[in-house]
Formats: sequence, structure tokens, C-alpha cells
Amino acid sequence: DADVTQTPRNRITKTGKRIMLECSQTKGHDRMYWYRQDPGLGLRLIYYSFDVKDINKGEISDGYSVSRQAQAKFSLSLESAIPNQTALYFCATSVGLAGVAGELFFGEGSRLTVL
Amino acid sequence: KQEVTQIPAALSVPEGENLVLNCSFTDSAIYNLQWFRQDPGKGLTSLLLIQSSQREQTSGRLNASLDKSSGRSTLYIAASQPGDSATYLCAVRQGNSGYALNFGKGTSLLVTP
Repeated sequence: DADVTQTPRNRITKTGKRIMLECSQTKGHDRMYWYRQDPGLGLRLIYYSFDVKDINKGEISDGYSVSRQAQAKFSLSLESAIPNQTALYFCATSVGLAGVAGELFFGEGSRLTVL
Repeated sequence: KQEVTQIPAALSVPEGENLVLNCSFTDSAIYNLQWFRQDPGKGLTSLLLIQSSQREQTSGRLNASLDKSSGRSTLYIAASQPGDSATYLCAVRQGNSGYALNFGKGTSLLVTP
């Protein structure tokens, strides 16, 4: 089983719908991240969380929200999806080491298409 | 804002060649740099992590170097194989942005038999 699991892996939805992408990890890491990947733009950080009570906005948080339900679970929500949110979404985890985050581990990705 | 650039954007080499992928970054105040591999439609697999105090890291046929003062890292792949074909991404971690990673756009590598 994968250490970082994302669901769903693929989703097609319509403009205006609410979408939730879920991420769970068995690595025991305290830090979790959501990125999106677009052709030609690379990976960009949406939100990150250093523990259950710590949520931080990333580079492109507008239109997104997150919830850290437990140390192992971090979900990303699109309250009202729009076509330019069509992208490949990645969840990642890392362990914090005396204030310096260590190696990042990624899930397999969730491909979202908004029509 | 940290800018991470990877050159070349694409590279095609015959099997067996040694090759170098380049990564440059504009702000040398980094905590670490990580190289990833991404297969089409798949997630990112971590290859090597270099802390800012280190000069290089090795794993099998891969060697990554870091010159923080000049803002450069290279990933050296020895004796390339068709299975090495993938996109290679470098990412740097800053301390003043919540330790988030800034990614380059990647180098797409094709190793032909």
C-alpha cells in the first residue's frame, strides 16, 4: 500500500460544484501539503499544515480551503469549482526536524477536470 | 521570490551515456534542495535530498551536487538506461516561506535504446 494515498484519483465535475480531495498518510509525518501541477507552470503550493492546529496559505490558495482532520489526514476543498482549477493535484508529507522540514514524499495525484 | 530554473527543458540521449541535468535558483538562502523523478501521469518520487551544509549526495547511479553560493545544483546520471526516461524536477526549500518547496518546471529526459 502507498504511504501517501489520495482519493479520488480521477474526477470530472461541472462548474459550480463542490469538490473534496482527500489525502491520508501512514508515514507518521506531521507536515502535509497540497500542490497543483499545470503544464508549463510546474508545481505550485496551495496550502500546507505543520500539525493539526496549524494551517497556512501557499502561493495560490484563492478558491481553495483545507481541513486537517487528524495528523494523518489532510483534505482539499473547492467550494465552487471553475474550469481553470482543472489540474493534477498532489498531496505531500514531510517530517519536521528541529524546525527544518525534511524530505518530501508525494501521493500519486488526483486528476481533476472541471467542465 | 525564489525562482528555480531547469535547463534543458528536454533532453534525448542514447542508452549508456552519462548526463547532467542543471538546476539554478535565485536566492541562495535555502535550507535544502531535493531532486525528484516523475513518470507520466504519476506522482513524484524523491531521488536525493541535499541539505544546505552538504556539497553532494549519491544514490546508485545518481549524484547530486549543490553550490549554494552560486545558486546551482546538478544531477549526474551515470550509464543512462531507457528506464531512466522521465521528467526530473528540482525543488528548493526556503526558510522564510514556511519551509515550503519552490519547484523548477523540470527536464524531460528520453533515453533511447
